[in-house]
Amino acid sequence: NAGVTQTPKFRVLKTGQSMTLLCAQDMNHEYMYWYRQDPGMGLRLIHYSVGEGTTAKGEVPDGYNVSRLKKQNFLLGLESAAPSQTSVYFCASSYRGEQFFGPGTRLTVL
Amino acid sequence: SQELEQSPQSLIVQEGKNLTINCTSSKTLYGLYWYKQKYGEGLIFLMMLQKGGEEKSHEKITAKLDEKKQQSSLHITASQPSHAGIYLCGAFSGGSNYKLTFGKGTLLTVNP
Repeated sequence: NAGVTQTPKFRVLKTGQSMTLLCAQDMNHEYMYWYRQDPGMGLRLIHYSVGEGTTAKGEVPDGYNVSRLKKQNFLLGLESAAPSQTSVYFCASSYRGEQFFGPGTRLTVL
Repeated sequence: SQELEQSPQSLIVQEGKNLTINCTSSKTLYGLYWYKQKYGEGLIFLMMLQKGGEEKSHEKITAKLDEKKQQSSLHITASQPSHAGIYLCGAFSGGSNYKLTFGKGTLLTVNP
């Protein structure tokens, strides 16, 4: 099993550009999550999904959109990137509470 | 909303020394997770504690949950450079059993 994978690993955007981060899991987990990690702020939940076709807002959802069209995939979109969205993004999936994390995507917005 | 405070924020120890990291919750803990993160990598699950008084060990790492104090501690015995990294605690928030709130992490450096 690959577990949780994230694409891409690194990305540099200019302000105003858009992009989509892809998260895939092969563990048949119902729950999936997107977090961002910033120095001194810890992990903050952006959006999450409790099943295929459902999404919900987390702690810091502004400026992001998500979709869960397939159970194994959870997409995070930035429609118009801003420098404040420079961060490391982690995807996770869970079964019975324990969350399994992907390796992260390091995004820089210039 | 639930908040988790970790202490200390950072810690530098000499190899072979013991250390303790604490995680204190603003609300009752119904379960607590400990994760470890190496720089530039994802989080690795260490252990989960569910009951007050519960204690779990994995290799040289022991975690305890004190529900009355709304606190968990992570203790490393005879630290090694491989223990270096960021340790994060996480707990279920808002009555949910699937959304975790995380502490800000404790950065551990182990000098050889």
